[in-house]
Amino acid sequence: DGGITQSPKYLFRKEGQNVTLSCEQNLNHDAMYWYRQDPGQGLRLIYYSQIVNDFQKGDIAEGYSVSREKKESFPLTVTSAQKNPTAFYLCASSLGTGATEAFFGQGTRLTVV
Amino acid sequence: GQQVMQIPQYQHVQEGEDFTTYCNSSTTLSNIQWYKQRPGGHPVFLIQLVKSGEVKKQKRLTFQFGEAKKNSSLHITATQTTDVGTYFCAGQTDSWGKLQFGAGTQVVVTP
Repeated sequence: DGGITQSPKYLFRKEGQNVTLSCEQNLNHDAMYWYRQDPGQGLRLIYYSQIVNDFQKGDIAEGYSVSREKKESFPLTVTSAQKNPTAFYLCASSLGTGATEAFFGQGTRLTVV
Repeated sequence: GQQVMQIPQYQHVQEGEDFTTYCNSSTTLSNIQWYKQRPGGHPVFLIQLVKSGEVKKQKRLTFQFGEAKKNSSLHITATQTTDVGTYFCAGQTDSWGKLQFGAGTQVVVTP
């Protein structure tokens, strides 16, 4: 089945540890996005990538890092520098050519204790 | 930078009533998209508007893009319990630009 997959669904980490969230798509999409969603809040853009080997900071990039070495993969690392990392993280992809809809993964709920 | 604002933040609706949620951008948009997120789920694409003044309908949902391409609205008629969820608008300033989401309108339907 074609789609976008995030793993794991739930993730627990100790404070001070880096953690990497996986996002894979087999839709042949050029553009990929990472959003953070806090309870009762909207989607805030962390990073986005319009093409392989290129990415741009979103509105809340501090404490996060990404890579886009392959078209189908856009992993997000939550570093120990992120002051409040506990949140629901959503990855999305779109064709990237022209105005096209974004497809979202199921999300990863990260809890830092 | 580009900002997308959405009002109201919460909407309590009696089943059968109509309601409207509004989206405003600080900059002119090339297109606006609407998404719905059910409780515990992920956002799902509903529709995209591209042209100035465009109006599109999906059954009981009516979407409108303003003439200046800086605002949009979603109107739902005869609300049903299946309409529960959070509705987000998302705008792009150009076709290759980042997709910027509003804070969403959380809709609660009372039977």
